[in-house]
Amino acid sequence: QVVESGGGVVRPGGSLRLSCAASGFTFSNFGMNWVRQAPGKGLEWISYIETSSSPTYYADSVKGRFTISRDNAKKSVYLQMDSLRDEDTAVYYCTRSFGYDAFDIWGQGTVVTVSS
Amino acid sequence: EIVLIQSPATLSLSPGERATLSCRPSQTLRNHISWYQQKPGQAPRLLIYDASNRATGTPARFSGSGSGTDFTLTISSLEPEDFAVYYCQQRSNWPLWTFGQGTKVEIK
Repeated sequence: QVVESGGGVVRPGGSLRLSCAASGFTFSNFGMNWVRQAPGKGLEWISYIETSSSPTYYADSVKGRFTISRDNAKKSVYLQMDSLRDEDTAVYYCTRSFGYDAFDIWGQGTVVTVSS
Repeated sequence: EIVLIQSPATLSLSPGERATLSCRPSQTLRNHISWYQQKPGQAPRLLIYDASNRATGTPARFSGSGSGTDFTLTISSLEPEDFAVYYCQQRSNWPLWTFGQGTKVEIK
């Protein structure tokens, strides 16, 4: 399973760091992603990190503002979110990559609210 | 940029009925598509991967089919716990992973 933490309320322009702790599988063997869901909206993939921390990929909506990283020794993946905007308000899910394109393990999500 | 069009937006059916959900990518890519179920207040759950393979724990009443630009998720006989929102997802060159806008299966 994976468990996210670190969400909260932050003002526009602020920063937040999300964490995702994995257990029950060999973490270092899997690529990991962050997916978000704005209130009442659909799912949006935002970032991926390979097993060895490189390469990393970002959706255009967060490129240059968010940074994904991982620590295989701690079985954790992180999302550093800077220059936050109102439209970043969402539930953020940590997910495990499976096969070519599926995400087979999802956390319960952590809520990020960007508001003045 | 690839877009996944799901239809219908809402499907109103009764328990025991058959549900047929469509997902049409705007481009022909590999025959890899995934389907997820999301219930209110819960995280999505992987149901189908590689267009037709059931994920661990997915009941046999769920099946996936299709290729190219036409994919289908079928629920052969709706159980009360199947009323939820369903998303399709595909990987492309960019953006790497795209989700459809979702189909809500509601109780008629």
